[in-house]
Amino acid sequence: NAGVTQTPKFRVLKTGQSMTLLCAQDMNHEYMYWYRQDPGMGLRLIHYSVGEGTTAKGEVPDGYNVSRLKKQNFLLGLESAAPSQTSVYFCASGITYEQYFGPGTRLTVT
Amino acid sequence: AQKVTQAQTEISVVEKEDVTLDCVYETRDTTYYLFWYKQPPSGELVFLIRRNSFDEQNEISGRYSWNFQKSTSSFNFTITASQVVDSAVYFCALSEEILWDSNYQLIWGAGTKLIIKP
Repeated sequence: NAGVTQTPKFRVLKTGQSMTLLCAQDMNHEYMYWYRQDPGMGLRLIHYSVGEGTTAKGEVPDGYNVSRLKKQNFLLGLESAAPSQTSVYFCASGITYEQYFGPGTRLTVT
Repeated sequence: AQKVTQAQTEISVVEKEDVTLDCVYETRDTTYYLFWYKQPPSGELVFLIRRNSFDEQNEISGRYSWNFQKSTSSFNFTITASQVVDSAVYFCALSEEILWDSNYQLIWGAGTKLIIKP
């Protein structure tokens, strides 16, 4: 099993560009999450999903959109990237109280 | 409000010393879970331990041990005989149920950077 995978691993965007981060899990988990990690801080929840076709806002949802069209995939979109969105993005999937993390995507917005 | 505090931003010790990383949490719930994760320089998050709020027994795993005390809302992590490979950022996290959709949310501390010098 691959667990949780994230694509791409690194990306550089210019301000105003758009992109989509892909998270895939092969553990048949219902719950999936997108976090961002900024220097000197823990992870902050952007959006999450409790099942296929459902999404909800987390702590810092502004500037991001998500979709969960298939149970195994959770997409994070940036419609118009801003330098404040420079961060490391982690995806996780889980069951009830436990979450399994992907390797992260390092995004730089110039 | 739910909160996790890791007051130690950075700790530096010499190899083979023992080191304790502090974690203090705040929650209104009686049922919750506490976690420790390790983030080595390579960047991935490595799960270390999960403890539920009803189990206050201390846990030992090799050189790692955890002390959970509900009376002081603390879940401290000790590394005995530290090694250079232990150098990493360590995060404490609290998992609480979001009742309206039966989901759990992880609240993270800011992390403690541990530097082990040879």
